[in-house]
Amino acid sequence: NAGVTQTPKFRVLKTGQSMTLLCAQDMNHEYMYWYRQDPGMGLRLIHYSVGEGTTAKGEVPDGYNVSRLKKQNFLLGLESAAPSQTSVYFCASSYVQDEGTQYFGPGTRLLVL
Amino acid sequence: SQKIEQNSEALNIQEGKTATLTCNYTNYSPAYLQWYRQDPGRGPVFLLLIRENEKEKRKERLKVTFDTTLKQSLFHITASQPADSATYLCALDTGRRALTFGSGTRLQVQP
Repeated sequence: NAGVTQTPKFRVLKTGQSMTLLCAQDMNHEYMYWYRQDPGMGLRLIHYSVGEGTTAKGEVPDGYNVSRLKKQNFLLGLESAAPSQTSVYFCASSYVQDEGTQYFGPGTRLLVL
Repeated sequence: SQKIEQNSEALNIQEGKTATLTCNYTNYSPAYLQWYRQDPGRGPVFLLLIRENEKEKRKERLKVTFDTTLKQSLFHITASQPADSATYLCALDTGRRALTFGSGTRLQVQP
């Protein structure tokens, strides 16, 4: 099992450009999450999904969109990147039955110039 | 407002000693609390979960306590080793299958 994978690992964008971050999990988890991690701020929840075809807003959703068309994939989109979106992005997934224990991917480092 | 506090200063200890990390929270009533380990350049890895009705949980050299009156969890690593050096994050259940994370405490174990 690969667990949770994320692509790309690193990306540089110019302000106003768009991109999509891909998260894939092979553990048949129902729940998936996108976080951003900034120095001194900890992990902050952007959006999450409780099942295929569902999405919900987290703590910091502005400027991001998500889609969960397939159970194993959770996409995070930036329509018009801003320097404030420079961060490390982590995807995670969890079982329905579990008490929220989350399995994280390796992260995507995004730099917006 | 809801808040989770972990000591932002790094904790430096000697190998073999017990490391104790603190997680304090306000305005939450979590059903459970979790601790994760994060190494540089990697995603967090789950270590332990403790429920609101449990006072203490152990796993090998790790011990977690949960005091819902004090709104505090303590995370202990006994007989610490240089390989235990990492950032440790606490996370609280926010009642929607999502977790809210603290900013973490960096532990440095000196040989």
